[in-house]
Amino acid sequence: NAGVIQTPRHKVTGKGQEATLWCEPISGHSAVFWYRQTIVQGLEFLTYFRNQAPIDDSGMPKERFSAQMPNQSHSTLKIQSTQPQDSAVYLCASSPHPNTEVFFGKGTRLTVV
Amino acid sequence: GDSVTQTEGLVTLTEGLPVMLNCTYQTIYSNPFLFWYVQHLNESPRLLLKSFTDNKRTEHQGFHATLHKSSSSFHLQKSSAQLSDSALYYCALYSGYNKLTFGKGTVLLVSP
Repeated sequence: NAGVIQTPRHKVTGKGQEATLWCEPISGHSAVFWYRQTIVQGLEFLTYFRNQAPIDDSGMPKERFSAQMPNQSHSTLKIQSTQPQDSAVYLCASSPHPNTEVFFGKGTRLTVV
Repeated sequence: GDSVTQTEGLVTLTEGLPVMLNCTYQTIYSNPFLFWYVQHLNESPRLLLKSFTDNKRTEHQGFHATLHKSSSSFHLQKSSAQLSDSALYYCALYSGYNKLTFGKGTVLLVSP
């Protein structure tokens, strides 16, 4: 079990460019989460899928952020027109159910210059 | 909506002293699940312990916490801090409304 796999581990984009982050959840886990981590805000919830269906995207900045889960083996987080304030570590996590242990990937560190 | 409050952003301790990290929560759900996650430097958060039973102490790796629904609290404690306990600690809440909500985290620094 390789755990939750996130790629790339580091990404640098210019202001205004697009960034796509990838996540492969643990096989068999039905819940997939995306969080953004910064020193100031801590772990901010972005979005949640259950059995590939979007359940809650209340944390997503609507205009530029989007997330998809086209199949049970991967999810993507896309940020259009990246801004310096988008710089953060983006963490993907999966679990059999949200009330059980959530397993985090190693994260993607996004830097917008 | 749900919320989790961790009042201390930073706790500094000398090795051997007791640890207490505060966590309170708000939810309208009557049967919440509470968690503590720990994140060491250059690592991802991982589960330390969890509870959903009122007034029952749960323990793991020398840490313990008790969910008190009457005060909406789930404080993390340890009798004697170790250098290896230095890390970022998150309290988290699952209320049944799908989202797992985290507090802002408390950095624990243990010095010799």
